[in-house]
Amino acid sequence: SQQGEEDPQALSIQEGENATMNCSYKTSINNLQWYRQNSGRGLVHLILIRSNEREKHSGRLRVTLDTSKKSSSLLITASRAADTASYFCATPHPQDQTGANNLFFGTGTRLTVIP
Amino acid sequence: DAGVIQSPRHEVTEMGQEVTLRCKPISGHNSLFWYRQTMMRGLELLIYFNNNVPIDDSGMPEDRFSAKMPNASFSTLKIQPSEPRDSAVYFCASSRMRSSNQPQHFGDGTRLSIL
Repeated sequence: SQQGEEDPQALSIQEGENATMNCSYKTSINNLQWYRQNSGRGLVHLILIRSNEREKHSGRLRVTLDTSKKSSSLLITASRAADTASYFCATPHPQDQTGANNLFFGTGTRLTVIP
Repeated sequence: DAGVIQSPRHEVTEMGQEVTLRCKPISGHNSLFWYRQTMMRGLELLIYFNNNVPIDDSGMPEDRFSAKMPNASFSTLKIQPSEPRDSAVYFCASSRMRSSNQPQHFGDGTRLSIL
């Protein structure tokens, strides 16, 4: 079963508005990651937040993590048409004992930014 | 640094044919992952390797699928015989060990169409 579930599945906003996407997960984690996928391309890592962090910023991105609620949010401020993409959260697989960086990926949020 | 390199980018072939997808991970990465992405099923993990050893192939849909990693710089995913339902985008990703809280790095995928 999926570890991470994003909400909403799709989001359409005007350029300049803020976009917020949410992710819920099921087991204890030591980090949570967000990825972006542009059409026809592979996933690209955006940001990693550790379990002992509550908030992290990177440019126009702001990620929060609430381990008590097992949830995270990704905020994109002052959105641009180029932000149009699918966004995925990912968490480490809890049962991997080999040390391989196996991640559970969520189902993604499809963001459309209208110019 | 070169990213994960996948070939071919596109493959169109008739059902029953053998298909071989190739991946060159980022140098120094210990883990390699093969994913399949479709509209219906989203991103599915097929198999992953750690230090060239297959760790979990439970995501491989059928015996028609096989994957190898003969050395640290090369992996293949083979489908024989191919069927129309195998049509999808196949991604390879690589990563350093989990303990360092590392992201996965994705190639741009192989878009496979089985006629």
